[in-house]
Amino acid sequence: EVQLQQSGAELGKPGTSVKLSCKVSGYNIRNTYMHWVNQRPGKGLEWIGRIDPANGNTIYAEKFKSKATLTADTSSNTAYMQLSQLKSDDTAIYFCAMGPIYSPFAYWGQGTLVTVSS
Amino acid sequence: DIQMTQSPSSMSASLGDRVTITCQASQDIGNNLIWFQQKPGKSPRPMIYYATNLANGVPSRFSGSRSGSDYSLTISSLESEDMADYHCLQYKQYPYTFGAGTKLELK
Repeated sequence: EVQLQQSGAELGKPGTSVKLSCKVSGYNIRNTYMHWVNQRPGKGLEWIGRIDPANGNTIYAEKFKSKATLTADTSSNTAYMQLSQLKSDDTAIYFCAMGPIYSPFAYWGQGTLVTVSS
Repeated sequence: DIQMTQSPSSMSASLGDRVTITCQASQDIGNNLIWFQQKPGKSPRPMIYYATNLANGVPSRFSGSRSGSDYSLTISSLESEDMADYHCLQYKQYPYTFGAGTKLELK
């Protein structure tokens, strides 16, 4: 069974950074792309970017290029996303998601709530 | 970026109704579209892949179709467990983009 286990809720002060994790079991992350998606309170889903864990190549949505940094550790089968220069607007649930080429986004983490507040 | 215009933003329907939700793509995305269902406090669940293919375990009352740049998710006979938010996602071109979502409620 494929499972994506995300790290716990974060409370960050404005101007600081947080690093979220997404540990995968039952699937080798070298064989997929890991996507990150956010959802602000009461809003829709927003694609942040993706990483190819096999080689570290990343693609970001324009608005997240200076906000998010995606990395992956294939030895621990874990993906990470660092969010920098936190603002109140970054308060959201952040999801990791992946899947095989014929069914991308088949598997999702449970989400990590990031709250930005002084 | 490709814009996905989803409608309606919300709707209420009765059990047994036929329900259709639509996403219109601003550029050609072929059939590279996924429909997700999301219930409160849960992660999205893929329902339809490649515009028309039912994901594993999804009831057959769900279907996806395409007409030009318009993509539709149809529930043939609404059941109570179908009350949720629905989102479309295009994965033809980066950046991937979601529709704004549709909240489906019981009338």
